[in-house]
Amino acid sequence: QKEVEQNSGPLSVPEGAIASLNCTYSDRGSQSFFWYRQYSGKSPELIMFIYSNGDKEDGRFTAQLNKASQYVSLLIRDSQPSDSATYLCAVNRGDSSYKLIFGSGTRLLVRP
Amino acid sequence: EPEVTQTPSHQVTQMGQEVILRCVPISNHLYFYWYRQILGQKVEFLVSFYNNEISEKSEIFDDQFSVERPDGSNFTLKIRSTKLEDSAMYFCASSRDSSYNEQFFGPGTRLTVL
Repeated sequence: QKEVEQNSGPLSVPEGAIASLNCTYSDRGSQSFFWYRQYSGKSPELIMFIYSNGDKEDGRFTAQLNKASQYVSLLIRDSQPSDSATYLCAVNRGDSSYKLIFGSGTRLLVRP
Repeated sequence: EPEVTQTPSHQVTQMGQEVILRCVPISNHLYFYWYRQILGQKVEFLVSFYNNEISEKSEIFDDQFSVERPDGSNFTLKIRSTKLEDSAMYFCASSRDSSYNEQFFGPGTRLTVL
């Protein structure tokens, strides 16, 4: 079983729509969760992080965490063509481990 | 806005040669990391570094790899004898503390081993 799983996509949405990206993780002890955006040939850029169950909003982005079901999601409202990128879910176990375990990413395509 | 910087942006080397990849983490950050991403694959953790010592390393980080903080600003990754399969993007990252562990990535060094 993969540690962090994401649908590879591409997820195609029209401009202005809500894009919903999902991620599941296998380690029930995971404590912190991150969403990174990665444009082709570039480095991961941190866009959201969440530690507690529920929703966390930051501008057009909302992260949702459900530890009981072991999934974390990212909603992007009013999607723009510039949001077209690969979105990486990353998980940290905590407990003196600082490493991030990444999923393979979901490619998002926002159609003008 | 402070950012992580890395040099060089692209390094080409012959198999068996030593390479040193350099990073300058964000100045008030205390935790430093190296990750790599082979083309088309996921980002993989290599090593974390805190208080001048390795705090955690992955199976990838074998005896061919080493890290060092030679001064107050630089953080380096050395690969002693490069192999073809070391060809990848190498990302340095840093975080301020361990409690929330938000890691900020540098632009990366593309390593090509011929």
